[in-house]
Amino acid sequence: EDQVTQSPEALRLQEGESSSLNCSYTVSGLRGLFWYRQDPGKGPEFLFTLYSAGEEKEKERLKATLTKKESFLHITAPKPEDSATYLCAVRSNFGNEKLTFGTGTRLTIIP
Amino acid sequence: EAQVTQNPRYLITVTGKKLTVTCSQNMNHEYMSWYRQDPGLGLRQIYYSMNVEVTDKGDVPEGYKVSRKEKRNFPLILESPSPNQTSLYFCASRPTGLYGYTFGSGTRLTVV
Repeated sequence: EDQVTQSPEALRLQEGESSSLNCSYTVSGLRGLFWYRQDPGKGPEFLFTLYSAGEEKEKERLKATLTKKESFLHITAPKPEDSATYLCAVRSNFGNEKLTFGTGTRLTIIP
Repeated sequence: EAQVTQNPRYLITVTGKKLTVTCSQNMNHEYMSWYRQDPGLGLRQIYYSMNVEVTDKGDVPEGYKVSRKEKRNFPLILESPSPNQTSLYFCASRPTGLYGYTFGSGTRLTVV
């Protein structure tokens, strides 16, 4: 059974204080790992797809990296508008369209 | 504007009263899915569809039905809702290939 564990559950940072969010996964052959951002009361918003170990993707202050067991979402010099819950999900080679999500990291950036 | 539209946004109903949550996408996406989101459990997949007339169960399909008669629409049907189906529901769609889903704004369902 595919599993995704995200840590920490919640993280409070000062504006400009860089940090990383972790996503550990167990999957029977990784087809893709996905990062989403979710604001309160809204649907998740797609950020990145990572396919293979060693891959990196960047978007503004966010950079996602992937190893064979985990993914990191690095946030550089965050701003208050980066406050959100960040979700990680995996799709395996054997689960058709099944997408397994972690429970997310709630990030708060304090001005 | 490219989007996934769910209706209604909020719904309060009574146990056993059949209901349908509609979902429509205007991006000509092949894949569509329904998820429910509960505190501490995260997003769990209910059903998905890979194209018209092709649907399959996700992790938590019990008590739900879906249909995909047209490419753009993927309604979620609760034939006899129960209080344990009180949740926040999301519909999502994506194109063929390794792309992420575009999610709708959600439907908050309360069954009393």
